Amino acid sequence: EVQLVESGGGLVQPGESLRLSCAASGFTFSSYWMHWVRQAPGKGLVWVSRIYPDGTRTSYADSVKGRFTISRDNAKNTLYLQMNSLRVEDTAVYYCARDPYHYDSSGNPRSDYYMDVWGKGTTVTVSS
Amino acid sequence: QSALTQPRSVSGSPGQSVTISCTGTSSDVGGYNYVSWYQQHPGKAPKLMIYDVSKRPSGVPDRFSGSKSGNTASLTISGLQAEDEGDYYCCSYAGSYTVIFGGGTKLTVL
Repeated sequence: EVQLVESGGGLVQPGESLRLSCAASGFTFSSYWMHWVRQAPGKGLVWVSRIYPDGTRTSYADSVKGRFTISRDNAKNTLYLQMNSLRVEDTAVYYCARDPYHYDSSGNPRSDYYMDVWGKGTTVTVSS
Repeated sequence: QSALTQPRSVSGSPGQSVTISCTGTSSDVGGYNYVSWYQQHPGKAPKLMIYDVSKRPSGVPDRFSGSKSGNTASLTISGLQAEDEGDYYCCSYAGSYTVIFGGGTKLTVL
């Protein structure tokens, strides 16, 4: 069964750090782009970050750029989100999600920037 | 990176059709055919309903369809059923390897 399981959430104070993990199973993790998406209480989905299958390229939303770092360990089938200098407005459920790929006419894998498998999320609360 | 614009709420009776719009700019929705739609029930993770503007993943009923015209994408749900009630989010590639979501639409089945 294809599965993503997030962990690492918790209650922290403003300015502190937290590292989220997302354990993948049931598919070849190293072949897929991966995303982090968050949802503040009672609010909508907000994209946070994306990483290439080999971890060499990353992208971020402006709201977290310079504070959050996405990474992955393909040997451990695990995605990470290192969150530094946390703010009250970072309070949210954080989801990891898989971005499926297909092969283009040249035989290169490419992503269409959507998410077909989601984890159940982990809750991060930033409060003094 | 402002969110794509969706109506806050829509409603319809069982059996009817509803359409949810998602308006962006030429830098996101209008510039790429990378629009996707997600359904979310309370307390649950989002579920992919449409990708690449109009493609349906296996297992999603053909009552769900997607389209795009200019900077506006649309999700149409025909033959509304009670289980369709929930929140719906559009999503688009926004250039520079970034993604943007809409603000979400609450669908009520009357």
